[in-house]
This record gives sequence, C-alpha cells and structure tokens, in this order.
Amino acid sequence: KAGVTQTPRYLIKTRGQQVTLSCSPISGHRSVSWYQQTPGQGLQFLFEYFSETQRNKGNFPGRFSGRQFSNSRSEMNVSTLELGDSALYLCASSLEFSGYGYTFGSGTRLTVV
Amino acid sequence: GENVEQHPSTLSVQEGDSAVIKCTYSDSASNYFPWYKQELGKGPQLIIDIRSNVGEKKDQRIAVTLNKTAKHFSLHITETQPEDSAVYFCAASDQAGGTSYGKLTFGQGTILTVHP
Repeated sequence: KAGVTQTPRYLIKTRGQQVTLSCSPISGHRSVSWYQQTPGQGLQFLFEYFSETQRNKGNFPGRFSGRQFSNSRSEMNVSTLELGDSALYLCASSLEFSGYGYTFGSGTRLTVV
Repeated sequence: GENVEQHPSTLSVQEGDSAVIKCTYSDSASNYFPWYKQELGKGPQLIIDIRSNVGEKKDQRIAVTLNKTAKHFSLHITETQPEDSAVYFCAASDQAGGTSYGKLTFGQGTILTVHP
C-alpha cells in the first residue's frame, strides 16, 4: 500500500513569508504527527492530530500551526518565516493516537533565505 | 519532560561484526521505545520497538533490550552488512495517557558505518 506522502519535497522561501506543507497519511491511519529535523536540534515534535483535533503540541512558537481534514490529510503552516526554520519537516501517521508504530514520510526540505 | 540520550554518536564496524547503540531516558512514565533507521534522503523507518512490559525483543539480526530500573535500552545488530549503514535513532513515548502521550522524544542519532 502507499506510504505517507509529503508535498512538496523541496521548498525555498524568503524570510518573512509563510509556507504550507501537506501530508497524506497511509490509508486507514487516523493520526498524523509532525516533526522538525535539524542537524543541531535533531528530531523535535511539533504536534499531533487525531480525528481533526490537535491532541498534543510541542514547544514551538505560535507561528507553527497545523490542521487535519476529515480524510485524515494534514497540513502544517509556518508564518513569518525565520532563517532558523530551515529544516526537514517530517510527517508520520499511525492507526491510533498513541505514538505507536509511526510510519514517516520522506519529508519536505524547507530552506529559508 | 522526557529527555533521551543516545551513544555513541558515530560507530564504525567491519562487515560481519556486531553493533550496539545505547539510549537512556529520564521519564519513568515512558513505556514505549521504538528504533528508527534513516537513510540519506529518506524519512526514519521503524525497524523494531519494545514496550516496557518486555525485556527483550528480536527480529532476525536485530534485537532490542530494555532495563526499566536503569532506564536504558539498547539496539543490537548482529552480522552487520554494508546496507545497515545509516543513521539510527532511539525514541521514547508515554502511551499511558500522560502529558507525553502520542509524542516521541528522540535521541540525537548514531551514524553507523559498516565497512565491507
């Protein structure tokens, strides 16, 4: 079956702009989580959505937001981009809201210039 | 919150040797410990996981051990092959409904290189 699909794969944005990233989970998976991966901070949890509701949130500023649609697809948005937001953004899906058995997508590489 | 420490940061072995990566965690509420393998240009791939009610789990050449008292868990890869070369991450999660429910806290990663 198809895996977790993230679009776009690469993105270059200018400081101050906003960006929206998309994630389509594995069919039947209802939980979607987002992680930021950087060389300095590693993998850090952004937020998790289950049944269109944000169930948990990491320690990121309010510029980072997300949502989940009724078909479980999810988007995350970053407003007023900063150079430090350059990272690989990873989406993961699982059957239930638990952190158990996550399957990750290949990520969106965001570069802020 | 949870903190996960992973060692070593780099590990170089000869093909056929064993590799061991160790992680410690701080939150005694953590009860689920997955290991992920990340290859260049790809997202992390779950390779094995263990719950806190189990001390050891094996899957072919890969095994994970857990010591709840000491709050550490380890990944063991036997008969390493060049295709095992990748970055390995450990993680911890509380699946009992606490504040970390649904959230994975990752270690900093280990770059494993297997020389032919």
